[in-house]
Amino acid sequence: DGGITQSPKYLFRKEGQNVTLSCEQNLNHDAMYWYRQDPGQGLRLIYYSQIVNDFQKGDIAEGYSVSREKKESFPLTVTSAQKNPTAFYLCASSQGATGNTIYFGEGSWLTVV
Amino acid sequence: GQNIDQPTEMTATEGAIVQINCTYQTSGFNGLFWYQQHAGEAPTFLSYNVLDGLEEKGRFSSFLSRSKGYSYLLLKELQMKDSASYLCAVRESSNYQLIWGAGTKLIIKP
Repeated sequence: DGGITQSPKYLFRKEGQNVTLSCEQNLNHDAMYWYRQDPGQGLRLIYYSQIVNDFQKGDIAEGYSVSREKKESFPLTVTSAQKNPTAFYLCASSQGATGNTIYFGEGSWLTVV
Repeated sequence: GQNIDQPTEMTATEGAIVQINCTYQTSGFNGLFWYQQHAGEAPTFLSYNVLDGLEEKGRFSSFLSRSKGYSYLLLKELQMKDSASYLCAVRESSNYQLIWGAGTKLIIKP
């Protein structure tokens, strides 16, 4: 089945640690996105990529980093510089920037302990 | 500025009809999306409107008026499984990125 796979589903991070969230899609989509969701707020864009080896900062990129070395993969690293990382993280993809459907992975819950 | 407004919470009765409104102010417009999100899960796609008018898809319909910066999602024959948050998002024409509303939590009562 085609889709987006995020892992891990649940992740605990100690203060000062970097952690990486995996996102893989087999939909052959060019565009991929990372969003953060906090209770009572809309999804906020962290980073997006419209093509391999290229990515742009979203509204809340500080404390995060990404890479896009392969079309199907768009991992997100939450660095120690992100002071409030506890949130629900969603990876998404679409067929180009103007695709009429954006598909989401199942999400990853990150908690700082 | 950019802004998407939706009611925070709505309550409806099983079998009834409910309309969830979304108003937006963006610098440019390239389509409006509605998504359903159950608690702790990823959003799932419901509808996409880029032209004015009503799009019907089974029990769900979505309406858009670009001149008024307004959309609504209409849910008919409500079922208990429709209890979820409904997210409205507008794609900007400047960079094709989505601006998301905070979502409307819909509670269905028997």
